[in-house]
Amino acid sequence: KNQVEQSPQSLIILEGKNCTLQCNYTVSPFSNLRWYKQDTGRGPVSLTIMTFSENTKSNGRYTATLDADTKQSSLHITASQLSDSASYICVVSHLTDSWGKLQFGAGTQVVVTP
Amino acid sequence: EAQVTQNPRYLITVTGKKLTVTCSQNMNHEYMSWYRQDPGLGLRQIYYSMNVEVTDKGDVPEGYKVSRKEKRNFPLILESPSPNQTSLYFCASSPRTLRMNTEAFFGQGTRLTVV
Repeated sequence: KNQVEQSPQSLIILEGKNCTLQCNYTVSPFSNLRWYKQDTGRGPVSLTIMTFSENTKSNGRYTATLDADTKQSSLHITASQLSDSASYICVVSHLTDSWGKLQFGAGTQVVVTP
Repeated sequence: EAQVTQNPRYLITVTGKKLTVTCSQNMNHEYMSWYRQDPGLGLRQIYYSMNVEVTDKGDVPEGYKVSRKEKRNFPLILESPSPNQTSLYFCASSPRTLRMNTEAFFGQGTRLTVV
């Protein structure tokens, strides 16, 4: 079982609408939680990085939240644009690993339609 | 421009024919790693390197080799590719441990097909 589970697997939203993606993880202890955006066939690009002590972090229209007690995170996209169509990946970094090994979720595929 | 460059972007090869996928970064990063991405699965780490001549296995190292003779380069070697190594491969680098709030920079990916 993956230590980072994301839901939904995919979703379709209308341009201009908001959406929220979920991430549940079991990695413990962890040092930070990241959200990446991955366009089809391209490398992931960082959106936010949060430590266990942070509750929320924003990057433009993207806002990530973290509840370290329940081991849940969410990514909220506000006023979606066509360019938001991508896979969004939740990633947790292991604290006990000197490298800070990254544990990746399988991603949520978001399609924004006109 | 700061970047991680992988080559080639696309590769079709036959079973058993040795191949190398190159990865180069121009940011003087110490940490580099290789991942593979398969449908329905998250990225999985193949190998990583914390410095020149220091490499270690990730979660799925079988069938792969790496070397880190120079700081900027971290090639991935498939000595005898098999069809189950058909995948999308990513190289990544970071200036220090990812336990810190450090950005990891990913290459554009190499789509490998082994027939």
